[in-house]
Amino acid sequence: GEDVEQSLFLSVREGDSSVINCTYTDSSSTYLYWYKQEPGAGLQLLTYIFSNMDMKQDQRLTVLLNKKDKHLSLRIADTQTGDSAIYFCAETDTGTASKLTFGTGTRLQVTL
Amino acid sequence: GAVVSQHPSWVICKSGTSVKIECRSLDFQATTMFWYRQFPKQSLMLMATSNEGSKATYEQGVEKDKFLINHASLTLSTLTVTSAHPEDSSFYICSASPWGQGHQPQHFGDGTRLSIL
Repeated sequence: GEDVEQSLFLSVREGDSSVINCTYTDSSSTYLYWYKQEPGAGLQLLTYIFSNMDMKQDQRLTVLLNKKDKHLSLRIADTQTGDSAIYFCAETDTGTASKLTFGTGTRLQVTL
Repeated sequence: GAVVSQHPSWVICKSGTSVKIECRSLDFQATTMFWYRQFPKQSLMLMATSNEGSKATYEQGVEKDKFLINHASLTLSTLTVTSAHPEDSSFYICSASPWGQGHQPQHFGDGTRLSIL
């Protein structure tokens, strides 16, 4: 089946940029997503990218997609303490409609 | 827009009790909703896909008789954990995609923490 991998932990200083990485195996992925989960809460959709795009920018967030290497990244500019959370990447393919496969999640810790 | 409400947010009950969790799309209609389970410090595991007006599609290894799903309207899906036992304790999250043309990403509820004593 599909596999989505992320590094477990990232620590950055407030004001620096954060880059969270994700790799996936499904070559038929159509949409790739980034979700944020704060403690005890559900998932908040941050952004998503269609597989024929290389980059998408939305305010402080920049998503880069390397389809050849099956690599997705999320860059958060000017990281704030409120950005501390778990970030999940997820993908869906044409064969399963909107069914999502999630990554393992990356815990982002922002220090002062 | 695209708000999904989940209720209750936290429930504690005795072993053997059945627990119902509601998932509502507040400002959109959803022909499909999804139910996930999340263990501490782990990712989300899809349990089932809930389709309005028809039977849910369960993932491999998920007991249909244990986790009853009903999707009676375009804005409400329910998950009932029947005869719950301590091993059913977990964080359950639902999601829904707005019905409409074009790509519609999933929006998630705030989750229900279920603790079985």
